[in-house]
Amino acid sequence: GQQVMQIPQYQHVQEGEDFTTYCNSSTTLSNIQWYKQRPGGHPVFLIQLVKSGEVKKQKRLTFQFGEAKKNSSLHITATQTTDVGTYFCAGYTGNQFYFGTGTSLTVIP
Amino acid sequence: KAGVTQTPRYLIKTRGQQVTLSCSPISGHRSVSWYQQTPGQGLQFLFEYFSETQRNKGNFPGRFSGRQFSNSRSEMNVSTLELGDSALYLCASRLPGTGLTGELFFGEGSRLTVL
Repeated sequence: GQQVMQIPQYQHVQEGEDFTTYCNSSTTLSNIQWYKQRPGGHPVFLIQLVKSGEVKKQKRLTFQFGEAKKNSSLHITATQTTDVGTYFCAGYTGNQFYFGTGTSLTVIP
Repeated sequence: KAGVTQTPRYLIKTRGQQVTLSCSPISGHRSVSWYQQTPGQGLQFLFEYFSETQRNKGNFPGRFSGRQFSNSRSEMNVSTLELGDSALYLCASRLPGTGLTGELFFGEGSRLTVL
């Protein structure tokens, strides 16, 4: 069945280091969204990518959608303690969103 | 503007019981979807409702059901609870006019523990 794989599952970084999480789908996606969930909180929308090869930036966050619309990445430059949380991708295909398993980011001060 | 409201926030049930969870979407949002979140499986789609009609359903057994009322509030029910149903159940609503792919606004979730 449809799956969206996300790696790594966990990432520990020193404050100031960069961080990247990757999502891969077994099928072509209509679009992909990214969410952040703080510990004990609920997922909060970050961004949506729709076009093949699309790149979007939000301050220190850079989001990419692959040319084949099967993969995506989120890159954070110079992490801060406020970046702590779990980052999920959610790919849309077949009339529903398929969420990746998430990458839990820990930032060590 | 109030966010998505889910009740109850926490509940404990025993195997074999049934449970009903409630979700009130953001005012004006007519689409409500439900997700099950567990540490091992992440977020898994249960179903989506729009204008009181189930628009899509995930791969869950028939013990999981839902409905939506005319005011867009939604409920989900799980019958004959199993230990594996312990999870955080998240409800999300969507902006009108965004079709099937608009941003999801999540509630805080209902944390169900089955003993």
